[in-house]
Amino acid sequence: EVLLVESGGGLVQPGGSLRLSCAASGFTFSSYWMHWVRQAPGKGLVWVSHIHSDGTSAIYADSVKGRFTISRDNAKNTLYLQMNSLRAEDTAVYYCARGRVNFWSPPSYYYYMDVWGKGATVTVSS
Amino acid sequence: EIVLTQSPGTLSLSPGERATLSCRASQSVSSSYLAWYQQKPGQAPRVLIYGASSRAPDIPDRFSGSGSGTDFTLTISRLEPEDFAVYYCQHYVTSPPSLTFGGGTKVEIK
Repeated sequence: EVLLVESGGGLVQPGGSLRLSCAASGFTFSSYWMHWVRQAPGKGLVWVSHIHSDGTSAIYADSVKGRFTISRDNAKNTLYLQMNSLRAEDTAVYYCARGRVNFWSPPSYYYYMDVWGKGATVTVSS
Repeated sequence: EIVLTQSPGTLSLSPGERATLSCRASQSVSSSYLAWYQQKPGQAPRVLIYGASSRAPDIPDRFSGSGSGTDFTLTISRLEPEDFAVYYCQHYVTSPPSLTFGGGTKVEIK
């Protein structure tokens, strides 16, 4: 079974740090781009970051650039999100998701997320 | 930056009816990188459509996607009780790379 399980969420004070982990199983983790997507309480989905399959390249939403760092350990089948300088507006459920990407082989190009974890809750509050 | 505007915000329909959801981009985008997701309360999202019109594996054929340029549509031909949920469109821009979700459309039971 293909599975993603997030962990590491919790309550943190503004300005604090937290590291989320996402354990992958049931597929060849090192072959896939991976994403973090968040959802504030009662709000919509917001993409946070993605990382290439080999970990050499990553991009971030402007709202987290310079504060969050995505990384992966392909030997441990685990994705990470290091979150620093946390703010109240970072309060959300954080989902990791597997990316399906084809930019190179015509005719069917695509970019979407096909497997999602259940999410980890991060609350930033004093 | 691409902005995706979904309408309506809420759609009130009865089981068996047809649902038509709109996703409008602030500028012309590649349909290849347009996807639709369904999210039920307390659950993670699930991909329905990718490449604007390709159904993801195991998605019933009552779900269909269409559109190009700035206007995209998700159609549910006959609503089943399990289809009442929130639906999001998503687009990825390759250069400079960025990803955007629409604000969502809630399909509720009338």
